[in-house]
Amino acid sequence: DVKVTQSSRYLVKRTGEKVFLECVQDMDHENMFWYRQDPGLGLRLIYFSYDVKMKEKGDIPEGYSVSREKKERFSLILESASTNQTSMYLCASSSIYASGGNTEAFFGQGTRLTVV
Amino acid sequence: RKEVEQDPGPFNVPEGATVAFNCTYSNSASQSFFWYRQDCRKEPKLLMSVYSSGNEDGRFTAQLNRASQYISLLIRDSKLSDSATYLCVVNGGNYGQNFVFGPGTRLSVLP
Repeated sequence: DVKVTQSSRYLVKRTGEKVFLECVQDMDHENMFWYRQDPGLGLRLIYFSYDVKMKEKGDIPEGYSVSREKKERFSLILESASTNQTSMYLCASSSIYASGGNTEAFFGQGTRLTVV
Repeated sequence: RKEVEQDPGPFNVPEGATVAFNCTYSNSASQSFFWYRQDCRKEPKLLMSVYSSGNEDGRFTAQLNRASQYISLLIRDSKLSDSATYLCVVNGGNYGQNFVFGPGTRLSVLP
C-alpha cells in the first residue's frame, strides 16, 4: 500500500517560531509537493521538488522554504511563523513514470497547523 | 479566469439519486485528468482518472471532452457514504508536476 506520511496531524506554534513540517513517501517518487488548503481558497501550491536538492516555487512561496536532501523526504519550513499561516498543510508525491500516462498525486494525511 | 472551474455547489440529493458534476479547464495543453474525493478534514484521495474515451468504475462514470476542455463525473444510485467534496484536477506538466486543483463541489446525500 502506497504511503505518504506527514510527521504531525495537529500542531500549535507561537508567532515567530521556526516550524518544520516533515513528509516521507515510500513510493520512490520523483516529485513531491507542499500545498496549503484554506476554506474558500482550495489547494494552493507552496513549493514542489522534482529531484533531490531541486525545488521550484509554487503560487504562494512567501514565508516558506523547503528542503529535499533525500528522495523520500521533503520538508517544509516556516522561517518565522505568523498567524496567517494557520492552515491545513498537505504533502503529496507523484511519479514522472505512470502506466497509462496518468500521473496521479498521492497525499499525506495533512497537518493542521495553528499559529497563536 | 480560474484555471479549473467547477460547479459551485453544494449539492444536496436524496439517496438513490443520480448526480452530475461539471468541470472546465483553461490550459489546452493539460495531459492528465482526475477526480479526487475529499472527506471533511481529511486528505484528498483519488476517485478515478479520466481518459479520453470515458471510463466507468461501478456507479461512477467520468467523461472528458478535450475539444471543449470539459470534464464530468456522474454518480448513479447515490449512497450516504458518497457525501464528500469532489475535486476536479488537471495536470499539464511534462513530468506530472503541474497539478491544478479545482475549488471542489460539496455533495451531501440525504437519507
